[in-house]
Amino acid sequence: GENVEQHPSTLSVQEGDSAVIKCTYSDSASNYFPWYKQELGKGPQLIIDIRSNVGEKKDQRIAVTLNKTAKHFSLHITETQPEDSAVYFCAASKGNAGANNLFFGTGTRLTVIP
Amino acid sequence: DVKVTQSSRYLVKRTGEKVFLECVQDMDHENMFWYRQDPGLGLRLIYFSYDVKMKEKGDIPEGYSVSREKKERFSLILESASTNQTSMYLCASSFAPSGTDTQYFGPGTRLTVL
Repeated sequence: GENVEQHPSTLSVQEGDSAVIKCTYSDSASNYFPWYKQELGKGPQLIIDIRSNVGEKKDQRIAVTLNKTAKHFSLHITETQPEDSAVYFCAASKGNAGANNLFFGTGTRLTVIP
Repeated sequence: DVKVTQSSRYLVKRTGEKVFLECVQDMDHENMFWYRQDPGLGLRLIYFSYDVKMKEKGDIPEGYSVSREKKERFSLILESASTNQTSMYLCASSFAPSGTDTQYFGPGTRLTVL
């Protein structure tokens, strides 16, 4: 099965600095890579995703990059704000109909220091 | 907005008790999921269902069962709770049986088994 590794497990940055979270995956058939943000007391929520036919995707201060050859993908948050503090999960899926299995990384707790 | 609700935010049970965790979604989603979230382990899939009365095992189904009698409701059952089932349980739903559909999560139920 798929194995998703995520680093670092904790990350502290000063407000305004950038944060980068990295994930690797093992199954070359995976083709969909979402990122979820979990705020305190809430369930995870999708913030951005990327498919294997593109190498980079950006949405305001958030960007994801994908390197299919190396089987790794990253989340970049620029100009961090205190409200970015949360746990972030990467995930990978092969997109099989009827399965809808997402394999999640172990999470990164991001703390933005005001 | 999609809403996924879970019957309890916090639950305390004793070893050997039968435990029911209920999840309801209001967006007519086909797929529903139960995950377990533990520190350092991320989200692990217990069971999922892609249709009423249909269920599929996830990565860690041992000690759990599920029921989906209606499209909007997915129940997780611990037949005989044990202390190693103390965890955060997250329910999720997604629209269609494709591995690339966004999963919408409930707020979670923190279960403690004494």
